[in-house]
Amino acid sequence: EVQLVESGGGLVQPGASLKLSCVASGFTFSDYWMSWVRQTPGKTMEWIGDIKYDGSYTNYAPSLKNRFTISRDNAKSTLYLQMSNVRSEDTATYYCTRDTMGVPFAYWGQGTLVTVSS
Amino acid sequence: DVVMTQTPPSLSVAIGQSVSISCKSSQSLVYSDGKTYLHWLLQSPGRSPKRLIYQVSNLGSGVPDRFSGTGSQKDFTLKISRVEAEDLGVYYCAQTTHFPLTFGSGTKLEIK
Repeated sequence: EVQLVESGGGLVQPGASLKLSCVASGFTFSDYWMSWVRQTPGKTMEWIGDIKYDGSYTNYAPSLKNRFTISRDNAKSTLYLQMSNVRSEDTATYYCTRDTMGVPFAYWGQGTLVTVSS
Repeated sequence: DVVMTQTPPSLSVAIGQSVSISCKSSQSLVYSDGKTYLHWLLQSPGRSPKRLIYQVSNLGSGVPDRFSGTGSQKDFTLKISRVEAEDLGVYYCAQTTHFPLTFGSGTKLEIK
């Protein structure tokens, strides 16, 4: 069974940095592209970016590219999202997702909530 | 960015009725490989999103055939035949043809 478990969320102050993790199990992690998607408190869904199965290539939403970095450790079956200089508008639930046959969003984790507030 | 416009924002239906949700994109979603990367997701209350339909009309694993997707180019529809109580939640369309990937604003389905 495919499982994606995010962690690392919490309350963070504006301007700080935060690193989220997503541990995968039930499949060969190194075979799949992975993505991060966030959902705001108002339920708006926003794609953050994705990373190739071997970690050699990433894509980002232009609005987040300068502050967010996606990486992965295939030996640990773990996906990461490094967030820097966070702002109140980054408050959201962050999901990692896995593709199937090259099509994103086939599987989702349970999400981790990030709240940016002083 | 490709703007995805979903209508209606919400709807209320009785068990056993059929409903349709519209999703229109600001650009054609046909990719250079000839395929159309338009997908439908359902987020049930308190749950993570789940992909229902991929590439316009292909049912995801375990998705009942009461769900169907149609459309082409810029105009797409999700139809639910014989709505059941478990179908309540928020439905999103999403396109993965163009970067950045984008989502519709969602359609909330309530059961009367």
